[in-house]
Amino acid sequence: EVQLVESGGGLQQPGGSLRLSCAASGFTFSRFGMDWVRQSPGKGLEWVSGISGSGGSPNYADLAKGRFTISRDNSNNMLYLQMSNLRPEDTAVYYCAKGGERGTHFTAVWGKGTTVTVSS
Amino acid sequence: QTVVTQEPSLSVSPGGTVILTCGLTSGSVSTYYYPSWYQQTPGQAPRTLIYTTNVRSSGVPDRFSGSILGNRAALIITGAQSDDESDYYCMLYMGGGIRVFGGGTKLTVL
Repeated sequence: EVQLVESGGGLQQPGGSLRLSCAASGFTFSRFGMDWVRQSPGKGLEWVSGISGSGGSPNYADLAKGRFTISRDNSNNMLYLQMSNLRPEDTAVYYCAKGGERGTHFTAVWGKGTTVTVSS
Repeated sequence: QTVVTQEPSLSVSPGGTVILTCGLTSGSVSTYYYPSWYQQTPGQAPRTLIYTTNVRSSGVPDRFSGSILGNRAALIITGAQSDDESDYYCMLYMGGGIRVFGGGTKLTVL
């Protein structure tokens, strides 16, 4: 069974940093692209960033460019999102998500999410 | 900047059929955008329903189907049930590794 377990969320002050982690199991991690998707309170889903199975070709939504960095450790089946210069509008549940087969460009499986709150 | 659009809210009667659509503020949605659809109930993680326009994800009932209708992607729910009452999101692949979600449709079954 595919499992994605996020961690690392919490309360952070504006301008601060956080690193989110996602532990993946139940599939060949290095074969699949991975994404981070977030949802602010009462709002819709927002794609944040994605990375290919090999770890190359990271991509970012405009909201993340220059502030967030996605990375992965295929040896340990881990996905990360390093977030810096946090803003109150980054307050959200952050979901780790497994992509589909190469070339399908969708989010196949979702974690339960980790909550990030940015407030002074 | 192109925005992905969805109906903010729709309603359907139990047993009825409803079509949710996913469009662009500029241009038409085609299969090249690899439209996918997600269902989310309050407090829960999203669930993947449809990918690459019309492929049902594992375990999704066949009352959910996807297609391109005119210049929009569509999620069609036939024989709606009370537990279909959820938020539904489409996502489009914009190229270059970039994906964009629509604003979501709140579906009421009444």
